[in-house]
Amino acid sequence: KQEVTQIPAALSVPEGENLVLNCSFTDSAIYNLQWFRQDPGKGLTSLLLIQSSQREQTSGRLNASLDKSSGRSTLYIAASQPGDSATYLCAVIPNRDDKIIFGKGTRLHILP
Amino acid sequence: NAGVTQTPKFQVLKTGQSMTLQCAQDMNHEYMSWYRQDPGMGLRLIHYSVGAGITDQGEVPNGYNVSRSTTEDFPLRLLSAAPSQTSVYFCASSTANHYGYTFGSGTRLTVV
Repeated sequence: KQEVTQIPAALSVPEGENLVLNCSFTDSAIYNLQWFRQDPGKGLTSLLLIQSSQREQTSGRLNASLDKSSGRSTLYIAASQPGDSATYLCAVIPNRDDKIIFGKGTRLHILP
Repeated sequence: NAGVTQTPKFQVLKTGQSMTLQCAQDMNHEYMSWYRQDPGMGLRLIHYSVGAGITDQGEVPNGYNVSRSTTEDFPLRLLSAAPSQTSVYFCASSTANHYGYTFGSGTRLTVV
């Protein structure tokens, strides 16, 4: 059974730093992987989606990479800002006929 | 393009009351699903639908009912509310092949 893990559960870094959020999954045979952002009391906002055939996707200061063989994805945030403070969730779709599986997220706090 | 719309945003119920959480999407997505999010538990799948007239149970279906009479709408019914159903509820939709998910903004439900 596919499991998605995000470590650490919480992270605080000073403003301006580049940072990496980690996501690991137990079964390397995935269809695609999606990163979400959730602000307190709000819904999930999709950040990036990586198809199984892709190695990375970029959007602005965000870059997500995918290494299926090692069962890992990373979300790189460049030049962090206080507005980046949120919970970041990684989710895996095992195959095109299967349901999305979420990690429990990393709560990120950017210190001004 | 509204995406996924959930109503209401907040609701307080008394134990034993029933209510319906509404979810509508305008992206012509075949797949729709309901999740609840509780502290430390992550997102848990309640019910899902792969198309109009087809629904199925997720991880935590007890106490909830769904129907899918149209592609656009996927209401979640609480039959007899219990304090254990206090949670934040999210509706999500996706294409039939699960290529990326879109979430609503959530309904915060308190059962007293």
